[in-house]
Amino acid sequence: GQNIDQPTEMTATEGAIVQINCTYQTSGFNGLFWYQQHAGEAPTFLSYNVLDGLEEKGRFSSFLSRSKGYSYLLLKELQMKDSASYLCAVRDSNYQLIWGAGTKLIIKP
Amino acid sequence: DAMVIQNPRYQVTQFGKPVTLSCSQTLNHNVMYWYQQKSSQAPKLLFHYYDKDFNNEADTPDNFQSRRPNTSFCFLDIRSPGLGDAAMYLCATSRDFTDTQYFGPGTRLTVL
Repeated sequence: GQNIDQPTEMTATEGAIVQINCTYQTSGFNGLFWYQQHAGEAPTFLSYNVLDGLEEKGRFSSFLSRSKGYSYLLLKELQMKDSASYLCAVRDSNYQLIWGAGTKLIIKP
Repeated sequence: DAMVIQNPRYQVTQFGKPVTLSCSQTLNHNVMYWYQQKSSQAPKLLFHYYDKDFNNEADTPDNFQSRRPNTSFCFLDIRSPGLGDAAMYLCATSRDFTDTQYFGPGTRLTVL
C-alpha cells in the first residue's frame, strides 16, 4: 500500500528553527508537495520538490531525497502565525496525490 | 485575483436531508477535485473531473455525487447525509494532473 508518515505534533519556540520530516512509500514518484493548513481553513501550497536537494523560499525550505523516500520542511525564524498543520503529499505514478495526516506545529512565545 | 471559491463556508443539515455544496474557479483550470477532510486526518479524495470527464474514487460512497456543468463550476451533492459525513469539504483545482493543486476555503458540514 501507499503510505506517508509524518510526526503528529511538534512544539517549537518563537524565533527558533524547526524541521518537519516526511517519509513516503508510494507507487512511483512524480513530485512531493508541502501544504500549510491553519485550523478550520483550507491547505495552502508551500513548496514542491521533484529533484533531490533543497528548495529555498524565504523562511521556508524543503528538502528531498528520492532514494531514501524522505523529505523535510525547514521553517526558520518562527513566528506565532506559523502555528498550523503542515501536510506532506506525494504524487504517485498515476498523478494522484497521496496525503499524510499532517504535523500540527505549536509555536510558544 | 484568480481564485477558488466555495459556498457556503458553513452548512448545517439534518440527518438524511440532501445538501449541495458548490465550488467555482476563475483560474480556468481543467481539473477540479473534491476532498473530504475530518479532524486531524489527511484529505480524502472523493472524485475529480478533467474537463467533463468524471473519475470516481473506488471507495467513495454512492451517497456522494458530483456535477460539473461548465469549466468554472463544480457541485458536490450528498443525497442522504449521515452523522459520519460531518467534515470539511475541500474543492481544489489544477491546470492539469501534473500541476499544483490549489484549494478553496472549504465548506464545513455539520449533520444534526
